[in-house]
Amino acid sequence: GESVGLHLPTLSVQEGDNSIINCAYSNSASDYFIWYKQESGKGPQFIIDIRSNMDKRQGQRVTVLLNKTVKHLSLQIAATQPGDSAVYFCAESDNAGNMLTFGGGTRLMVKP
Amino acid sequence: KAGVTQTPRYLIKTRGQQVTLSCSPISGHRSVSWYQQTPGQGLQFLFEYFSETQRNKGNFPGRFSGRQFSNSRSEMNVSTLELGDSALYLCASSPGTAYQETQYFGPGTRLLVL
Repeated sequence: GESVGLHLPTLSVQEGDNSIINCAYSNSASDYFIWYKQESGKGPQFIIDIRSNMDKRQGQRVTVLLNKTVKHLSLQIAATQPGDSAVYFCAESDNAGNMLTFGGGTRLMVKP
Repeated sequence: KAGVTQTPRYLIKTRGQQVTLSCSPISGHRSVSWYQQTPGQGLQFLFEYFSETQRNKGNFPGRFSGRQFSNSRSEMNVSTLELGDSALYLCASSPGTAYQETQYFGPGTRLLVL
C-alpha cells in the first residue's frame, strides 16, 4: 500500500448504504492480505484476511476482493452502520514472516 | 481470553532520554511484533520476536531495540530519544505456529518526546 501521510482519503456514506474501500499494493510477491479497522484511541482491530490463492472471501457484513493482476484489494461493507466509522487499513505480507506492510488508510464516515 | 496489553498507555519524555515499553501477548501466543504509527509515516514494522529471538526487523536505526522473555512478554527500548520518535507504538501478537498468521493488536503506548 502507499502512504498518504497526514491527509487520509475519506469515504462518506449514508447509514444503510454499502461501502467500498480500496487499496493498491506494490509488492508482487505479497501473498497474504489483511484489513484492519482502527477507531480513535485504539489499536487496529482485525476484520478479515485473504490469501493469494483466493480472489474473494466473505465474513459477517464484509467481503474482501483481491485482484492480483492489477495488485488491488478492496473491502466491501454491507449495510454500513455508524459503528463502522473508523480508519481502515489494508496490510500485506510476502511470506517473510509476520512482518506486515500497511497502506496509508482510509477514513470511513457514516452519516446517520 | 484477555487481549494484548501494553504499558504504559502514555509517556512523556525529553530528547536524549531512553524509554522502555512493555507488551503482554494474548495467552498462548508466542510471536510478538512491534509497529510505530505516526501521522506522517503511517504504520511501520519495527521488529518481531518469537521464542525470545528476533525473527524479523524493519528499517529503523539501532536506537530501537527489543527483547522477549520466556513467558512471551516483550519489551522495546528506544535510546537517545529524538523529537521524531513521538508516535503511537503498537504491539501485536500471534500464535507463532506458522508464518502469515492473523496478528492481534494492543491499544498502543503513546509516546511524546519534548
